[in-house]
Amino acid sequence: DVKVTQSSRYLVKRTGEKVFLECVQDMDHENMFWYRQDPGLGLRLIYFSYDVKMKEKGDIPEGYSVSREKKERFSLILESASTNQTSMYLCASRRGAREQFFGPGTRLTVL
Amino acid sequence: GESVGLHLPTLSVQEGDNSIINCAYSNSASDYFIWYKQESGKGPQFIIDIRSNMDKRQGQRVTVLLNKTVKHLSLQIAATQPGDSAVYFCAAVNNYGQNFVFGPGTRLSVLP
Repeated sequence: DVKVTQSSRYLVKRTGEKVFLECVQDMDHENMFWYRQDPGLGLRLIYFSYDVKMKEKGDIPEGYSVSREKKERFSLILESASTNQTSMYLCASRRGAREQFFGPGTRLTVL
Repeated sequence: GESVGLHLPTLSVQEGDNSIINCAYSNSASDYFIWYKQESGKGPQFIIDIRSNMDKRQGQRVTVLLNKTVKHLSLQIAATQPGDSAVYFCAAVNNYGQNFVFGPGTRLSVLP
């Protein structure tokens, strides 16, 4: 089974802190994604990556950056956390154009 | 812009009854559609998908129907069980898999 893991299930941070969310997949997928999930809004794409060191902006990249130094790892960075970044963050990976496999999510609260 | 939406944010059904969850999409160029199930505290899990050249696909206790004329798809769950309680959402995939657009989700509650 494809496994996508995220470093934390729950995080509480303060406004202005730098936050790192880590995602690792074990199936050698080229494509990795970061979404945030908010009630009534569905999944919104923040950033994605099609290969090592490649990154593309999604629909809502403002306030976020990403890093993909290794194929299996995709990191989401909040340079200076704000309260409106309180959300559920989901990482996903896929090979080619097939379905995406999701991690369990990280619920981030910014105080 | 492109959108995917669900008709009902919540749905309650009796155990053993059939459930129908609906989804509408805006982009007629979508290549295929996926239904996901998300249980509390977990990430979304793939249930079933359907290509745009099909109008029906069946899985184990689930059926997806696609009506391209009105840009509507539905997920039918037969003999709903307590373990089916979750949030269900659809995704429309286009541009040869480059673009996934997700709906907001319907929370299905199964009543004893």
